[in-house]
Amino acid sequence: GEDVEQSLFLSVREGDSSVINCTYTDSSSTYLYWYKQEPGAGLQLLTYIFSNMDMKQDQRLTVLLNKKDKHLSLRIADTQTGDSAIYFCAEETSGTYKYIFGTGTRLKVLA
Amino acid sequence: DAGVTQSPTHLIKTRGQQVTLRCSPKSGHDTVSWYQQALGQGPQFIFQYYEEEERQRGNFPDRFSGHQFPNYSSELNVNALLLGDSALYLCASIKTGSNYNEQFFGPGTRLTVL
Repeated sequence: GEDVEQSLFLSVREGDSSVINCTYTDSSSTYLYWYKQEPGAGLQLLTYIFSNMDMKQDQRLTVLLNKKDKHLSLRIADTQTGDSAIYFCAEETSGTYKYIFGTGTRLKVLA
Repeated sequence: DAGVTQSPTHLIKTRGQQVTLRCSPKSGHDTVSWYQQALGQGPQFIFQYYEEEERQRGNFPDRFSGHQFPNYSSELNVNALLLGDSALYLCASIKTGSNYNEQFFGPGTRLTVL
């Protein structure tokens, strides 16, 4: 079946690292994505990882994938107040362009 | 390039009415998907259009229907509106066959059903 789960809330202090976790169930997922949504706005793609990778780094963002446990994480280094938003992970089976989104994690950054 | 655009931005309807939402894909994109995002939830896939036909459908009732035009723009129609249809409706587009499966999302249409 298709199900993507995330913890609902995360609060960190400015300058600390944030780690947002996600678990998925579809073993045929080929692409996994992280999106950011600010209040009243649409979805902004942050980064993605192919299922044959276990890590991807992009500036302050690090994605880790444990395919055996179907666990995905997003680490934000040096978290800033502008990073406060809701973060969604999403999975997709190659070629379908159909994304299954998680419930979203609300990140609050304290100054 | 304006990216993915949606209209209207906001809409208020009453139960039982019908609504039509519109989406223009990013230039060069030919595949359009629609998602429903209820308050406090992640987006849920409604359906996807390619070459003017519905290619995939999520777990939504027949009250939800769509259309794609020759210029790749798309409409989402919802009949017999229920209070539970209140949500942000997102449109996403991609060019089928892209090497990199990034879909671009529009800003959404916020539908309120009273």
